[in-house]
Amino acid sequence: DAGITQSPRHKVTETGTPVTLRCHQTENHRYMYWYRQDPGHGLRLIHYSYGVKDTDKGEVSDGYSVSRSKTEDFLLTLESATSSQTSVYFCAISEAGVSEQYFGPGTRLTVT
Amino acid sequence: RKEVEQDPGPFNVPEGATVAFNCTYSNSASQSFFWYRQDCRKEPKLLMSVYSSGNEDGRFTAQLNRASQYISLLIRDSKLSDSATYLCVVNKDQAGTALIFGKGTTLSVSS
Repeated sequence: DAGITQSPRHKVTETGTPVTLRCHQTENHRYMYWYRQDPGHGLRLIHYSYGVKDTDKGEVSDGYSVSRSKTEDFLLTLESATSSQTSVYFCAISEAGVSEQYFGPGTRLTVT
Repeated sequence: RKEVEQDPGPFNVPEGATVAFNCTYSNSASQSFFWYRQDCRKEPKLLMSVYSSGNEDGRFTAQLNRASQYISLLIRDSKLSDSATYLCVVNKDQAGTALIFGKGTTLSVSS
């Protein structure tokens, strides 16, 4: 299995609070991604990174920001969590933009 | 047309059966194609890449038809452990920096 960890694995937070999710990889892959998965929607891309300090928006980026200061870490921040951001968040990595992606175990976030 | 479309199922089959899943994609410029497997409450895991000439991995066979923008996955001799959701995945564009995931097809194999 690819060396990808996510923290925390579960979190319950209140509306309006900031939340940061962390993705850590030991594979030295250039590309990292954040997805959310919701019933009826499948996996949707939030943001991705193609190198240190290089990030771009995905399909559902509103309300989220990301940072990548090191190759191995990709952070997803919800500046002010809303109930609509209750979801399962997956991080993924890939060697190249066109290549297969490998996923972390996911973070289950509940915003009350 | 949706970017990646799959029959959601569920497909309920007995052990030993052969089952096929289909997927269509909308962007003719797509270059990378994959099948992923996702177990309940787990992360998606790469099952196999799909190559233009078709490819096989044990009991699994993937086919690509670029003219029809159609991908298929065939599972032979189904096992109980094959029960999962199968995701069809296509890269979004020629730049390839994003993959588009289908919503998945659910397979349930029973004894």
